[in-house]
Amino acid sequence: DSGVTQTPKHLITATGQRVTLRCSPRSGDLSVYWYQQSLDQGLQFLIQYYNGEERAKGNILERFSAQQFPDLHSELNLSSLELGDSALYFCASSVGGQGEGEQFFGPGTRLTVL
Amino acid sequence: AQRVTQPEKLLSVFKGAPVELKCNYSYSGSPELFWYVQYSRQRLQLLLRHISRESIKGFTADLNKGETSFHLKKPFAQEEDSAMYYCAIASGGSYIPTFGRGTSLIVHP
Repeated sequence: DSGVTQTPKHLITATGQRVTLRCSPRSGDLSVYWYQQSLDQGLQFLIQYYNGEERAKGNILERFSAQQFPDLHSELNLSSLELGDSALYFCASSVGGQGEGEQFFGPGTRLTVL
Repeated sequence: AQRVTQPEKLLSVFKGAPVELKCNYSYSGSPELFWYVQYSRQRLQLLLRHISRESIKGFTADLNKGETSFHLKKPFAQEEDSAMYYCAIASGGSYIPTFGRGTSLIVHP
């Protein structure tokens, strides 16, 4: 599959814990975007990386952080987890860093915090 | 701040009927508007964007700046159109889309 991949598919953890979500962009795409989709907030943009550098920031909590590695895969770290962090986390990728090209979405990681 | 409102959570129609999924936005400038679709067990994907003025899978959407709307329309719905549809806006120099809550379209045979 040459599309955006995300691991794991599902993650169940407890409050106070820390998890790492992983995303690999489409081949050739330099930008990675992270989104959170929850029942009460809908689909919200968290952060974008372009070629290893942070490019745009949305409604990302201080407990959350992300990075993009030299091979362009990205990780979203969520710490001190709360019940309200339970959501579907999507990653998307695109060619450019300024909105050029379509964003292609991954299948998402479903996080459940108990 | 930009905002997108999709007033219907669920829209249920019969095959062959016209369908209109409503989208209203709040932004006073010149926004860029999109419709995304997520079919069952598939990924969220771009359906169309207003600057392209395309018709994709029979769907069209016209930007009405006076009514600040970007409704998605199809004259004859098909069962395979059943999906979750999201309207999104990018504006104010930002290319990051802000999404609406989505409308679930169910097309009955």
